[in-house]
Formats: sequence, structure tokens, C-alpha cells
Amino acid sequence: GQQVMQIPQYQHVQEGEDFTTYCNSSTTLSNIQWYKQRPGGHPVFLIQLVKSGEVKKQKRLTFQFGEAKKNSSLHITATQTTDVGTYFCAGRGGSNYKLTFGKGTLLTVNP
Amino acid sequence: DAGVIQSPRHEVTEMGQEVTLRCKPISGHDYLFWYRQTMMRGLELLIYFNNNVPIDDSGMPEDRFSAKMPNASFSTLKIQPSEPRDSAVYFCASSPDRFSYNSPLHFGNGTRLTVT
Repeated sequence: GQQVMQIPQYQHVQEGEDFTTYCNSSTTLSNIQWYKQRPGGHPVFLIQLVKSGEVKKQKRLTFQFGEAKKNSSLHITATQTTDVGTYFCAGRGGSNYKLTFGKGTLLTVNP
Repeated sequence: DAGVIQSPRHEVTEMGQEVTLRCKPISGHDYLFWYRQTMMRGLELLIYFNNNVPIDDSGMPEDRFSAKMPNASFSTLKIQPSEPRDSAVYFCASSPDRFSYNSPLHFGNGTRLTVT
């Protein structure tokens, strides 16, 4: 079945440093979504990427979808303490409506 | 909109007891998903429904788990009998029509289940 791998599992940074998490799928994806889960909370949708090579920005967050539509990344510039949480990628393949989640990257930020 | 509503927020039960988790999706959403989250396995899809019909239950761990959606505004996930390894956070999520590219999952606050 479809597998979505995400690295790193954990990342600790000093406030102001950049952060990147990477996502790789075993199969070509029709689209990929990113979610953020604060400690003790529930996953909250951030963005969806659909097109090959697509790049989207949300303030300090930059999302990329690979040319082959099998990998994606999330980059945060100049992290803040409010960025703390677990970031998940989730991929949807072909006509299957199932969304397969990566295991997430837990980001902690030292003020 | 109140979002996806799950109950209870916390459930502590003894091994062997029946557990029922409840979910009210966002009105108008055609898809409903049940996920289980653990440290070891992350977010696992258990089952999803489209227009109240179960479409894929391949993620349901075993026969002790069952899910129903009797109408568009209510779903249950039942574990009978419960076991300690079922301890996890169970999330319900809903999503609008599949043909819309703007189809994120809207998660409820989850039910934290502890089986002792």
C-alpha cells in the first residue's frame, strides 16, 4: 500500500533559526496536504499542493511539491515559539480518496 | 459552524468493557473518517464513509472494532471488548465532496481512550 515517510522525526531549534521537514511517498501522489498539530490538539489543515513543482507560501512558511509528485517539503523561515507543534504531510494517490499521513516532525523552539 | 464534534473527550475503561466513541461531522460534508493516533504508529486511518456508506474499512484492526454512520450527522466507533493496546487518541474528521480540490480534512478534538 501507499506509504508516506517523513523526516526528521524531531527537530529542536533556537528561535529565529530556519526549519525544514521532508516528505517522501512510495507512489506518485495526486495531491499532498500539510497539517499542524499543537501539543494536546488536533491536526489543522495548512495547505494543499496539486501541481508538479508547485510552490506556495504562507507568510514564513514555504511549501513545495516535487516535479515527480512523490516528495514535498515545508520550510519555516525564522521560527517563532508559536511554530511549536507536529507538522504532518498527507498524500492522496490516484483515484483513492484515502489520505495517508506521514508520522510527522515534532518541532520545538527554544526562546 | 461548530466544526466536527466528538464525545467523550476522555474515556477511561477497564479491559473487556465496551467503548463507544461518537462523532458529529460538519453539516454538508459527504465524507467522514475515523483515525487513531499513537506515538508508535502515528495517524492511522481506520475507516471512512461516503454519504453514510462505509467505503474502506481495511484499517480496522480486528473484529473488536466496528463503526456505523446511521445518518449524515452522526457516526460511532465501537470497541468490544476493549484491550490495553487500544489506548490511543481517536480522531473523527470530515471532508466535503471528493471532486473538489479544496478538500482538507476537518478534525474533531479527539477522544483520548485509556484502557487499563
